[in-house]
Amino acid sequence: QKEVEQDPGPLSVPEGAIVSLNCTYSNSAFQYFMWYRQYSRKGPELLMYTYSSGNKEDGRFTAQVDKSSKYISLFIRDSQPSDSATYLCAMRGAGSYQLTFGKGTKLSVIP
Amino acid sequence: DTAVSQTPKYLVTQMGNDKSIKCEQNLGHDTMYWYKQDSKKFLKIMFSYNNKELIINETVPNRFSPKSPDKAHLNLHINSLELGDSAVYFCASSQNWETRYYGYTFGSGTRLTVV
Repeated sequence: QKEVEQDPGPLSVPEGAIVSLNCTYSNSAFQYFMWYRQYSRKGPELLMYTYSSGNKEDGRFTAQVDKSSKYISLFIRDSQPSDSATYLCAMRGAGSYQLTFGKGTKLSVIP
Repeated sequence: DTAVSQTPKYLVTQMGNDKSIKCEQNLGHDTMYWYKQDSKKFLKIMFSYNNKELIINETVPNRFSPKSPDKAHLNLHINSLELGDSAVYFCASSQNWETRYYGYTFGSGTRLTVV
């Protein structure tokens, strides 16, 4: 079993839809959870960061972490064509340098 | 003003050649990384340096050698390039290894094609 599993998609939604992106993981030592957005031919950029379990909201984006289920989610409300990108989940343990990434989900928001 | 900059952006070279990729960050971060993103878009760590000291060296062929002349720079030299080395190589940095936070700041990537 891979450490981090993420459905690669592609996922196509109409503009204005609510998008749900998810990752599952197997390593219970992971404590820091991140979502990155990567536009085509660009580097990943940090979108959301969450420590341990709980929810975090930033504008149209909400990140959720359920450590008991080893499951994290990113919700995008009122999706826009500019949200079209690959979304990567990433996580690491306490005191660890290393981020472990999911494979990314490619999202297309159709006008 | 670019935070993490890599050069070159694109690199096309023949098998067997030796090439280098340079990375510089102006964020004052202590830790720098090289990641490889393969054709399936999977990002995998290769190396990490903290204050010029190597702290992560994943299972990478020894044809790959990182060098950190100072904490703002982390270069990657690749000897005897092979077809399978074709990928996008990303440099990244983070504040310091004890920071309980944030993630990394990534460069835009170097797209290496070996022919």
